[in-house]
Amino acid sequence: AQSVTQPDIHITVSEGASLELRCNYSYGATPYLFWYVQSPGQGLQLLLKYFSGDTLVQGIKGFEAEFKRSQSSFNLRKPSVHWSDAAEYFCAVGVNAGNNRKLIWGLGTSLAVNP
Amino acid sequence: DAGITQSPRYKITETGRQVTLMCHQTWSHSYMFWYRQDLGHGLRLIYYSAAADITDKGEVPDGYVVSRSKTENFPLTLESATRSQTSVYFCASSERVGGTRAYEQYFGPGTRLTVT
Repeated sequence: AQSVTQPDIHITVSEGASLELRCNYSYGATPYLFWYVQSPGQGLQLLLKYFSGDTLVQGIKGFEAEFKRSQSSFNLRKPSVHWSDAAEYFCAVGVNAGNNRKLIWGLGTSLAVNP
Repeated sequence: DAGITQSPRYKITETGRQVTLMCHQTWSHSYMFWYRQDLGHGLRLIYYSAAADITDKGEVPDGYVVSRSKTENFPLTLESATRSQTSVYFCASSERVGGTRAYEQYFGPGTRLTVT
């Protein structure tokens, strides 16, 4: 069955420090992978996506993610975190459900940023 | 460009009452989705729709009803609200296209529902 695991429920980093949020997926075919961010009280916003090509993808707000097929991972990174990056981050894999297209979601990682 | 809107943003209702949450998108996206978000459970899909008059159940459809008579609207109705339906509800939409864009979902701001 398709699934997405985000092993870290909560992470705290200091402002200016580097960040890596982990995501592992289970999907039989080539995956469509996504990272979304949810700021407090807001809806979800797409950060970046991957399907094929270069395994390192760039997104908005200075984020990047690397697809590693051998590890079934799609980890999100940022070299220097800003206080405004404090939010909930969700990893998702796109799956086909008949004629429909759905996302299977991880449970999210809550990021806190210390000044 | 209004995008995707939800109303109301906040709602308090009593157990047993019927409640309808509205979702409207201006992009003419084919696919629309309803999720609920609860602490510890992440996002759970309630219902989704591939087009007008086509709807399917998601993971947690019990106690909810949807309709989609027009492409742009996808209301979610709680027929008889229960306390367990206290949650934040998100509507999302996506295009009927190929590649990754077919899976990209665009989210509304959410409706916070409290059932007392």
